[in-house]
Amino acid sequence: DGGITQSPKYLFRKEGQNVTLSCEQNLNHDAMYWYRQDPGQGLRLIYYSQIVNDFQKGDIAEGYSVSREKKESFPLTVTSAQKNPTAFYLCASSRQGSFSYNEQFFGPGTRLTVL
Amino acid sequence: SQKIEQNSEALNIQEGKTATLTCNYTNYSPAYLQWYRQDPGRGPVFLLLIRENEKEKRKERLKVTFDTTLKQSLFHITASQPADSATYLCALVLLRAAGNKLTFGGGTRVLVKP
Repeated sequence: DGGITQSPKYLFRKEGQNVTLSCEQNLNHDAMYWYRQDPGQGLRLIYYSQIVNDFQKGDIAEGYSVSREKKESFPLTVTSAQKNPTAFYLCASSRQGSFSYNEQFFGPGTRLTVL
Repeated sequence: SQKIEQNSEALNIQEGKTATLTCNYTNYSPAYLQWYRQDPGRGPVFLLLIRENEKEKRKERLKVTFDTTLKQSLFHITASQPADSATYLCALVLLRAAGNKLTFGGGTRVLVKP
């Protein structure tokens, strides 16, 4: 089955700790994205990557870091510098290209709670 | 400032009726607009895409309109069913946006009662 997987589904962190959220896709998509969703709100873009070894900041990148060493993988690290990290984190991927119109395929999400 | 607004109040509707959701935007010139469905605790799922030069798009019981003069998209679910209960998100893609980034509205929750 092709798709996007995220792990873990639930994650608890103590204040001051860094945590890394996993995102893997086997859709052969070039572009990958990380979003944050707070209760009752829409998705806000944290980071995105259009190609391996390249990524750009989204609208709320402060306190987060990413890497894109492989096409299939786009892990997100939530650092201790992120002031309010408790949220639902969603990873997505899409094909690139001018004519693909790029619908995004989302993973199941990771719910991070800071204790 | 740029804004995408969806009705934050839940839409309660009787089974069989048509649900109509709105997505309004300001200070954008979107190349196209997408609609997604999100169930509680899950990732959004793509439903429909409409381009700036299209007025209307249909897919089964779903219909989307796009009025660039009014800066508004309407999303209709006809003959609604309890299984249609979910949150619906609109998302804009700006012309030549780097990385084809989507900008999402806050979503509207729909509850279809039997």
